[in-house]
Formats: sequence, C-alpha cells, structure tokens
Amino acid sequence: KAGVTQTPRYLIKTRGQQVTLSCSPISGHRSVSWYQQTPGQGLQFLFEYFSETQRNKGNFPGRFSGRQFSNSRSEMNVSTLELGDSALYLCASSREGNTEAFFGQGTRLTVV
Amino acid sequence: GQSLEQPSEVTAVEGAIVQINCTYQTSGFYGLSWYQQHDGGAPTFLSYNALDGLEETGRFSSFLSRSDSYGYLLLQELQMKDSASYFCAVRDAGNDMRFGAGTRLTVKP
Repeated sequence: KAGVTQTPRYLIKTRGQQVTLSCSPISGHRSVSWYQQTPGQGLQFLFEYFSETQRNKGNFPGRFSGRQFSNSRSEMNVSTLELGDSALYLCASSREGNTEAFFGQGTRLTVV
Repeated sequence: GQSLEQPSEVTAVEGAIVQINCTYQTSGFYGLSWYQQHDGGAPTFLSYNALDGLEETGRFSSFLSRSDSYGYLLLQELQMKDSASYFCAVRDAGNDMRFGAGTRLTVKP
C-alpha cells in the first residue's frame, strides 16, 4: 500500500509570507501528527489530528496551525514566516492506539 | 515538564556493539519507541517497549526499565549502513509521541 505522502518536497518562501503543507496518510490511518525537525533539535511536536479534531498541540506560536479533512488528509499552515521557520516538516500517520508511526519524506521549507 | 535525553553522538567500528541510552521524564507513559533516520530520509520504526525487559529483533535489541525511566537501543554486529541518527520516543498520557534530540551514530571501517 502507498506510504505517507507529503507535498511539496521542497519550498522556498520569503519572510512574511504564509505557506501550506500537505500530508496524505496511509489508507486506514486516522491519526496524523506533524513535527518540525532542525539540526540538533530532533523532532519537535507540532500537533496531532484524529478524525478531523486537533487532539494535542506542541509549544509553537499561533502562526502554526493545521487541519484534517474527512479523508484523513491533513494540512499545516504557517503564517508570517520567519527565518527560524526554515526546517524539515514531517508528518506521521498511525492507526488509533498503534505504537508504530509511519513518516513521510517531509517538506523542506527554506525561508529567505 | 517533559524531556527525553540521549547522547548526541556515538562512534563505533564495523562489527562492534553499541548501546544508545535514553532517559525520559514525561507526564504519563505508554511505551518507548526507537526510530532510525538516514541523512535525507524519513524516520523509520525500529522497536517498541511497553513493558520492562529486552526486545530483540535481529541485530537490534531494545530495553526498558519503567522504574528507572530508562531504556536503550543495542546494535550488534555493526555495519556501515547502520550509520544514521537514532531517536527514542515516548508516547505520553496525551497519546502524543515525543522524540529525543537524536543520537548520530557513525560506523567506521
């Protein structure tokens, strides 16, 4: 079956712009989590969605938001981009209660 | 607060055994997972421990001690392809998966 698909793979934006990233989970997976990865910082949890509801949110400013659609696809949006938002954004899907998360290849966002 | 601590870097030679430790402090605990990430790649699942003890999967083993809030990943018969970053992750009371900062393993010939 198809894995987790993230689009786009690469993105360059300028400061102040906004960006929307997309994640299509594995078929049957209703949980989608988003992470920000920067060198030396590991994976920082952004938020998790399950059945179109945000269940949890990490310690990120309100400029970071997301949503999930009825088909479990998820989007995350970052408004008023800052240079520090440059990172690899990963999404992961899993079945409810399952211990294993499957990651997409990520979207590499560069803010200039 | 919540935290996961693991060494930032480990170096070993081919054929050797290496242990990557992880200590955690979280609100609630449902299990400790390990993920491997090669440069430019996505993290991939290696193992999961919900109960105390050792889980073995081929050359990789993972250990958990809930009373010590501690676990480790043991890699045996190291191969060059094992050079990667390894992350421990805890699923907490909110059912979120929180990751450590990662350990970069370099395997030398």
